[in-house]
Amino acid sequence: DAGVIQSPRHEVTEMGQEVTLRCKPISGHNSLFWYRQTMMRGLELLIYFNNNVPIDDSGMPEDRFSAKMPNASFSTLKIQPSEPRDSAVYFCASSHRDTQYFGPGTRLTVL
Amino acid sequence: ELKVEQNPLFLSMQEGKNYTIYCNYSTTSDRLYWYRQDPGKSLESLFVLLSNGAVKQEGRLMASLDTKARLSTLHITAAVHDLSATYFCAVDGGQGGSEKPVFGKGTKLTVNP
Repeated sequence: DAGVIQSPRHEVTEMGQEVTLRCKPISGHNSLFWYRQTMMRGLELLIYFNNNVPIDDSGMPEDRFSAKMPNASFSTLKIQPSEPRDSAVYFCASSHRDTQYFGPGTRLTVL
Repeated sequence: ELKVEQNPLFLSMQEGKNYTIYCNYSTTSDRLYWYRQDPGKSLESLFVLLSNGAVKQEGRLMASLDTKARLSTLHITAAVHDLSATYFCAVDGGQGGSEKPVFGKGTKLTVNP
């Protein structure tokens, strides 16, 4: 298995633009998590899905952030409009039997 | 609100020495995880501890869980340079992992020759 796949790996955009991050979980995993990592705030859980259904989105910073999981093999995290403070590494993880498998991350820079 | 505290946050040690990283958490949980992150890389799962008294070992690393004390330890035996990384613990709130995971701030370990 290729593991969790995220795209793009790097994204540089300007303030006010829409950003869409993509994630393909490992086949057969029924939970998917989106995290954000910064030096200042560490690793934060933004939202997680179980069987494609959002379970807890209390970590989503504000209405500019939205996440979807239309099927078991694909999820998106969208930021609209983006702001410089959104600059971070965004990780997607999927889980099976209590073990989370993290993707390589997307490094987002908002200028 | 579940809080997870790791200490120390920074650890510099010499090869061959032993040391312990501590992870305390504030509310009842029976699920604790340890991860490793190399600089610029993603997180890799090391251990999953699911019950009081659970102990797991992999190479020079051993993790244990005391749910009554709300404490997990990650013990490093005879450290080698390859163990240099940041180590995170994470805790699922609630019983049976019913609530979302919360991560500690991480312990940056540097092993010097």
